[in-house]
Amino acid sequence: AQSVTQLGSHVSVSEGALVLLRCNYSSSVPPYLFWYVQYPNQGLQLLLKYTSAATLVKGINGFEAEFKKSETSFHLTKPSAHMSDAAEYFCAVRKYNNNDMRFGAGTRLTVKP
Amino acid sequence: ETGVTQTPRHLVMGMTNKKSLKCEQHLGHNAMYWYKQSAKKPLELMFVYSLEERVENNSVPSRFSPECPNSSHLFLHLHTLQPEDSALYLCASSQDGYGAGAHTGELFFGEGSRLTVL
Repeated sequence: AQSVTQLGSHVSVSEGALVLLRCNYSSSVPPYLFWYVQYPNQGLQLLLKYTSAATLVKGINGFEAEFKKSETSFHLTKPSAHMSDAAEYFCAVRKYNNNDMRFGAGTRLTVKP
Repeated sequence: ETGVTQTPRHLVMGMTNKKSLKCEQHLGHNAMYWYKQSAKKPLELMFVYSLEERVENNSVPSRFSPECPNSSHLFLHLHTLQPEDSALYLCASSQDGYGAGAHTGELFFGEGSRLTVL
């Protein structure tokens, strides 16, 4: 069965610093991978997705993620954090032709001024 | 209209009440989902409907009863709930398919219904 593990339930960075949120997946077949963001009292919004095309995926709000099959990782990065990036971030995995999207436990990002 | 709309946004109910959550998607998708989001726990998939037929039921207690009358509407009927059922209930939709050119099936979420059971 596929699953995802997000390392670190809480990450704190200073404004302007690099953001790195870690995600490792387990899947018996090449999966589709996603990062979602959730702001307080809102639903989840898609940041970016990997669908077996380019391994470096660019998303909204300056975020990007790199698919590394050898490391079974899909870490999310942003070169320079902004106060508005403070939110909860979820990594998710889904097999092709499968309705079951599995989410990680989430990482709460705090941005300090 | 936003893509996926959920009502009500907030609901407080007693353990003996019967209430329903409603979800409507305006994206022309063919699959709809209910997820439960509790504090400090991963999102839990509750139900999936694809082409209006239930395809997934992850051992959810019978006090939760889904209904999908058409591809645009999804309900979650609630009765005799327990305080531990208090959570944010998220509805999502996706466009699913098979074979070459199949959609990647990313989910589009509503803003959620915050349920409190007293």
